Order: sequence, then C-alpha cells, then structure tokens
Amino acid sequence: GENVEQHPSTLSVQEGDSAVIKCTYSDSASNYFPWYKQELGKGPQLIIDIRSNVGEKKDQRIAVTLNKTAKHFSLHITETQPEDSAVYFCAATLAGGTSYGKLTFGQGTILTVHP
Amino acid sequence: EPEVTQTPSHQVTQMGQEVILRCVPISNHLYFYWYRQILGQKVEFLVSFYNNEISEKSEIFDDQFSVERPDGSNFTLKIRSTKLEDSAMYFCASRQIPGGPRAGELFFGEGSRLTVL
Repeated sequence: GENVEQHPSTLSVQEGDSAVIKCTYSDSASNYFPWYKQELGKGPQLIIDIRSNVGEKKDQRIAVTLNKTAKHFSLHITETQPEDSAVYFCAATLAGGTSYGKLTFGQGTILTVHP
Repeated sequence: EPEVTQTPSHQVTQMGQEVILRCVPISNHLYFYWYRQILGQKVEFLVSFYNNEISEKSEIFDDQFSVERPDGSNFTLKIRSTKLEDSAMYFCASRQIPGGPRAGELFFGEGSRLTVL
C-alpha cells in the first residue's frame, strides 16, 4: 500500500519568512495530493491540492510542487504569519471512485511562526 | 461554509464497553469516511461508506468496528468492545459526488476524542 513520509516534524520560522514542508510517497499510482492544516482542537482542513497532471499550483501565499519522477511533493508558504501556526499534513491517494477518499497521510509538521 | 459535525467531542469509557460515535456529514455529500489519530501518530484511514455499504476498509477496521447510516443524515461508528488501544481521536469526513467544484475535497469534522480506561 501507499506510504507517505513527511519532513520536518517541527518547523519554527520568523514572521515574514518562508516555510517549506516536504513529502515523499511510495505508490506511483497515486495521483492526488492534498495538504491539510489542522488547528488546535479542530479537524484537518484542506488548504491546497495538486493532481499528477500538474507540476505546480499556487494560491496566494501557498504553493505546492509535485515531482512525479522522484515521487515527492512540497508545500511552500511565503510571508508567513502567526496565524499560519498549525499542524500541516500531506496526503496521497489514487483518485477515482471510492478510493479517492482513502487518504494516506504523512506524519504531520508542527509549524510555529514567531511574531 | 457547511461543516461536518461530530458528537461527542470527548468520551471516556471503560475497557470492554460499547461506544457509538456520531457524525452528521454535509447534506449533499454521498461519500463518508472515518479516520482515527492516535496521539502523536499519523491520521489513519478506517473505512469508507457509499450507497449504504462499506466500500473499503483498512486492516484496523476489524469485527469490533461497524458503521451505519441509520436515518439518512447521521453516520455512526460503533466499537463493540473497546480496548485500551482504541484510545484516539476519531474523525468523520464526507465528500460530495464526483464532478462537482470541490469533488476531491474531504471535509473533516472536529473529531471525537475517545479515552478507554
């Protein structure tokens, strides 16, 4: 089955700096890669996703890149703000039918943005 | 924005007791899921449910677990005889039908924390 590894486990940055979180996946059949943000006491919330037919996607201060050959994908947050502090999870799955929702998650990264 | 709601937010139970965790998915969603997160570990897939039946389940989802959509709005996870290792945060999620603008997105509830003593 799919295995997703995520690094680093903790990341501490100063406000305004960039943050990068990296994930690798094992199953070359996976074609959908979402990123979730989990704030304290809440459930994971989708912040951005990418499909395997795209190499990069951007949404304001957040971007995700995908390298299918190397089987890794990364989350980039620019101009970080204290409210970006949360746990971030990457995930992977094979899109199509019910398997779409069977996400394999990474271990999570605790991001702390210091004012 | 519509949201998935879960009850209870926290349940403490004795080992061997039955527990039912409840979820109300987003109303026009057709795919439903349970995930769990043991403290300090990854979020893990338990089961997916579509068209009133289980469509996929993980090896964690053994005979002690069952899911049900009893009334068209609630989606429940039952653990028949809880074990210490069932202590975790349980997340319900739902997804709309394929083809919609947010078809790939899983919407998660805030979770139900289960503590087995």
